[in-house]
Amino acid sequence: KAGVTQTPRYLIKTRGQQVTLSCSPISGHRSVSWYQQTPGQGLQFLFEYFSETQRNKGNFPGRFSGRQFSNSRSEMNVSTLELGDSALYLCASRLWPRGPKANTGELFFGEGSRLTVL
Amino acid sequence: AQSVTQPDIHITVSEGASLELRCNYSYGATPYLFWYVQSPGQGLQLLLKYFSGDTLVQGIKGFEAEFKRSQSSFNLRKPSVHWSDAAEYFCAVGAILDSGYALNFGKGTSLLVTP
Repeated sequence: KAGVTQTPRYLIKTRGQQVTLSCSPISGHRSVSWYQQTPGQGLQFLFEYFSETQRNKGNFPGRFSGRQFSNSRSEMNVSTLELGDSALYLCASRLWPRGPKANTGELFFGEGSRLTVL
Repeated sequence: AQSVTQPDIHITVSEGASLELRCNYSYGATPYLFWYVQSPGQGLQLLLKYFSGDTLVQGIKGFEAEFKRSQSSFNLRKPSVHWSDAAEYFCAVGAILDSGYALNFGKGTSLLVTP
């Protein structure tokens, strides 16, 4: 079973540009989450998508956005890039089981997209 | 709010020695707890998880962790460390947020293994 796939793995942008990152979840997983990892702030939650709807969002400015497609694949976009957006962006997927255990479970992470903003 | 504290930023152990990485959490109900490992340039790999039941959980690569509610701890242990265990280790707690779910991570513990 293929794991979580993220593209691109590495990219370099300049301030003011925008970037789109892509994530394909594990087959059968219906929830996709995004996390930002930096040396200073550690791992921070960006947002979670399920059934093409954003379910929750972390404390990030509106420049960070995402979407999910009907096949559960997800993209995140960062507009008007700043130097501080340089980070490893990790995508994770989970099953999203039905019923009372919908909001539980482990997350499976991809290898990340390393964004450098110059 | 749910939070996780990993008191040790760096730990150095000799190969073959035992290892314990500390994790303390803050959460009102029974938490969902996890340990992940990250090698340089890689994503996060799940080592083990605790949802309920037996408080001693076994994971991959010979790791185990013990949930202690009275101490709000979920420490990771390994009886004999291998050089390949050198990596960053993250403890996390699962939290319901709005209509979804997210993990709150500790800041991580960097493990160095010496010959």
